[in-house]
Parts: sequence; C-alpha cells; structure tokens
Amino acid sequence: GDSVTQMEGPVTLSEEAFLTINCTYTATGYPSLFWYVQYPGEGLQLLLKATKADDKGSNKGFEATYRKETTSFHLEKGSVQVSDSAVYFCALQPQGGSEKLVFGKGTKLTVNP
Amino acid sequence: GAVVSQHPSWVICKSGTSVKIECRSLDFQATTMFWYRQFPKQSLMLMATSNEGSKATYEQGVEKDKFLINHASLTLSTLTVTSAHPEDSSFYICSASRSAKNSPLHFGNGTRLTVT
Repeated sequence: GDSVTQMEGPVTLSEEAFLTINCTYTATGYPSLFWYVQYPGEGLQLLLKATKADDKGSNKGFEATYRKETTSFHLEKGSVQVSDSAVYFCALQPQGGSEKLVFGKGTKLTVNP
Repeated sequence: GAVVSQHPSWVICKSGTSVKIECRSLDFQATTMFWYRQFPKQSLMLMATSNEGSKATYEQGVEKDKFLINHASLTLSTLTVTSAHPEDSSFYICSASRSAKNSPLHFGNGTRLTVT
C-alpha cells in the first residue's frame, strides 16, 4: 500500500541554520505530496504542496521539490527561526483525487536562539 | 483563523465511560470529514471517513462499534469513543474540506483523550 517515510527526529538546530527533513514515499502513479506543520497546541496546517513531478512547493521560506525518480519530497529552509519550532509531517494523497491522506510519522524540529 | 473547530481540546475519563468529540466546520459546508488518531511519536492514522447523511466508512482494523461516528449536518461530525479503556488514550484529530474539487484539507486542533 501507499506509505510515507520521514526522517526520524527530533532535530535541533541553531537559529539561521540550514534545515533539511527527508521524506520518501511509496505509491502507484502520481500522488500529490504535502508538508504539514503542527505548532505546539495547535492542529495541522498545510505548509506547501506539489501535485506533479518536478513541481516545487514553497511557503514561508520552506521549499520542497517533487522528485519522481527518487520518490522524494524533502523539505528545506535556508535559515530557520525559533518560530519554526514545530512538528513537520510529510503526506501523500493517492492519485485519483481521494481526499484521504497518508502521513509520515512526523519530525519534531526545535530551533534554539 | 481556524476554519475547523474541535471540542474538547482535552478530556480525561474513567474506564468504561463514553466520550464524545465534536468537529465543526466554521464557515463552510463539509459533506465529508475525516477522523485521525495519532499515537505518540507515530503518524496520523486515518480511522474513518464521515459522510453527511450516511454511514461512516471505517478503515481496516477500526472497530465500528467502539468508535461511533455521526455526521448529522453539513457542519458537524461527532466521534464517540464508547466504553473507553486506557488503550484508547490518544490524540484524535478531525479534518474537513470544502466541497469544491482540490480544496485543501483543514484540520482541527485535536483532542487529547486520557482514559484512567
């Protein structure tokens, strides 16, 4: 079945450091790919998405490129801030338009000043 | 602001009792809502798809009689954990999307259930 594998956390960085959170997926066809963020005490929020191969999603300085050849959707940010501390989830939506999402386990990021 | 409201945000109950969790779409109608369960250090697992006006669709391995879902209106779905046990302690999250195609999913803030 469809699955998402996300790098294990937690990740601790200093402010202004470069961030990469790896995400790979297993799915048939061309799923849509998402990154969600969960700030402490809050629900999940969509951070960015890509719906076809080679698409790049970006938002708030975060980027991720849909790589079909490596079945990856790694999240990157050039300079993290303390306010980026949260749990990040990679997710896929199977091809076909079903609203069901398959999530990775989440990666907790802590950014220290 | 939040477009999906979930209530309560946390609840503690005794074994054997039932707990109801509400999920409301605040400014849109949602014919479909989703209920997820999140274990510590685990991903969100889809439990069921809540369909307005009809029976919920449960994922494999989820007990229908244990987790009762009612979607009585276009803005409200409820999840009732019946005869709760400590192993039901978890974080439950709902999500909903507007009816338009390719509308994003909006998530509630989740409910932390602790069964003692």
